[in-house]
Amino acid sequence: NAGVTQTPKFRILKIGQSMTLQCTQDMNHNYMYWYRQDPGMGLKLIYYSVGAGITDKGEVPNGYNVSRSTTEDFPLRLELAAPSQTSVYFCASSNPQGSGANVLTFGAGSRLTVL
Amino acid sequence: GNSVTQMEGPVTLSEEAFLTINCTYTATGYPSLFWYVQYPGEGLQLLLKATKADDKGSNKGFEATYRKETTSFHLEKGSVQVSDSAVYFCALWSGGSARQLTFGSGTQLTVLP
Repeated sequence: NAGVTQTPKFRILKIGQSMTLQCTQDMNHNYMYWYRQDPGMGLKLIYYSVGAGITDKGEVPNGYNVSRSTTEDFPLRLELAAPSQTSVYFCASSNPQGSGANVLTFGAGSRLTVL
Repeated sequence: GNSVTQMEGPVTLSEEAFLTINCTYTATGYPSLFWYVQYPGEGLQLLLKATKADDKGSNKGFEATYRKETTSFHLEKGSVQVSDSAVYFCALWSGGSARQLTFGSGTQLTVLP
């Protein structure tokens, strides 16, 4: 049972480059999220999705895009990378109902540095 | 809006010491409350939760009681171990929209042998 898998674990980008962080989950969860975690700070929600074909902005969406074509996958796209996007990115998933309702399962994180 | 305020860290304790990490919240309605733990190099994982007032969540020797009168959900453990060294996050879910999971800033705990 893999849970939530993120790739890559580490990446260094130059300013202006683009990349996609991949996230896949095998728990058939409806809800998926992308958070960023800056040093000494809590997690900030970037985007979330309540099901395939449905996405919505979180607290800090600028500079990012997402898509949700399947239940399993929720990639995060960074366009024109900026130093302010240097952070650790976490993908998470959950189900809104049942005994595990609203409990998030997190991936191991992707550390991104923009130079 | 919703907010979670956690005790500032870092916290350093000796093995077998008593641990308290304070957490207070502001929310509308009746939120569910959570403690997540992040071990070095890993993602967050659920430690315990409580879904209504006076509920006590517990796991791995950690406990927290949902106190509506003081809007608090303090994390406690009677005897910490070196393996408890991690960052601890308090969080709340106020229901409704999926985006309503709010995290505190995290508290770094280091336990020395």
